[in-house]
Order: sequence, then structure tokens, then C-alpha cells
Amino acid sequence: QVQLVQSGAEVRKPGSSVKVSCKASGGTFRSYGISWVRQAPGQGLEWMGGVVPIFGTVNYAQKFQGRVTITADKSTSTTYMDLSSLISEDTAVYYCARGAGMGRLDYWGQGTLVTVSS
Amino acid sequence: DIQMTQSPSSLSASVGDRVTITCRTSQDISNDLAWFQQKPGKAPKSLIHAASSLQSGVPSKFSGSGSGTVFTLTISNMQSEDFATYYCQQYNSNPPTFGQGTKVEIK
Repeated sequence: QVQLVQSGAEVRKPGSSVKVSCKASGGTFRSYGISWVRQAPGQGLEWMGGVVPIFGTVNYAQKFQGRVTITADKSTSTTYMDLSSLISEDTAVYYCARGAGMGRLDYWGQGTLVTVSS
Repeated sequence: DIQMTQSPSSLSASVGDRVTITCRTSQDISNDLAWFQQKPGKAPKSLIHAASSLQSGVPSKFSGSGSGTVFTLTISNMQSEDFATYYCQQYNSNPPTFGQGTKVEIK
């Protein structure tokens, strides 16, 4: 059974950065893609970017280019999402999701609330 | 980016009803479409991928159809646990994009 466990809630000040982790268990980690999706309060889902660890390929949504970095540690089956230059509008729940390839989102983590406030 | 248009944005249904949600894409995505269910305070749950393939463990009351630019999700015999928000998502081209969601409420 595939399980994705994310790190805990974070509070950050505007202008700072945050790093959220997502540890996968079950299945074959290296064969899949891991994406990061965020959801602002009361809003819909927004894909930020993803990585296919076995190939090392990374793609980012244009909106987040230059501000987000997604990395994968194959030895620990953990993926990280680093978002910098935070603004209040980055307050959201951040999810990791795994699927066959970059855009498939078959299994989801529990979500990590990131609050940006001065 | 491929634009996704879901309709309706919300609907009211009674227990036992059959519900249909439509998703339209701004360009042909073949059958690279998924449907998700999300309940308040919870992560989305994948229901369907490849437009009509049920995810493992998802009951057959959920069904998907379509290809190209028009897709539908049908939920038969609505029960209390099915009242939620539903999203479509295309994964044919980067970036993957989502519909705005359809909130299904109890009438």
C-alpha cells in the first residue's frame, strides 16, 4: 500500500522560505513521479511542479519558476519542496502526490499547512 | 496551458439520485483525464484515471467517460458519503491543470 507522509505545519514570515518533505513507502519509489499541489483557503487545486526521481527530471509550473525547487532523495524515498520569497498569498495547504509519470496523481499525502504572516 | 472548465460549479442532490459532472478542455487531451473527490479538511482522493479507469478500491457507482475535449463523471445512487467537491485534471501536457471544482451538496 502506497503511503505518503508529509512534514508538519509551518509558520513563516513574508520574504522567508519554507521546505516541506514527503516520505513515500510502499510501491516502487523510483518508478514514479512525485508532484506538489497547493490549495489556498477555500480555493481549488494548483499544480506547482514535479520530479521523476529515477530520471532526475524536474518540471515547474511557469508561475513558480525561480521560486520553487523540488528535489528527491532516492536513498530515503523522500521528496522536498522548497518555496522561497514567501508572500501572504502563499498561505495554503501543500500536498505531495504520486503517480505513474509526472502528471498522474494517484496517491496523496495528508497535506502540510504553510501560513505566511508577519 | 490547457484550460479546464467544469460544470456545474455546484449542485444539490438527494440521496439516491444520479449526478453527472462535465469537464471541458481547451484542447484535445485524448483520454489523459483524472477525477478526484475531496471532503472538507482532507486530501483529494483519486477516483478515475485515463478518463474511465476506476482506481483500485473505488466503488463502481463512480464512472467516467469521454475523450478529446469533453468528459463526464457520473455518480449513481448518491449516498451521504458522496457529498463532496469533485475536480477534474488533465495530465496530457505540462503543466497539469485542474478544473475549478464542483461542490455536490445535499438537497
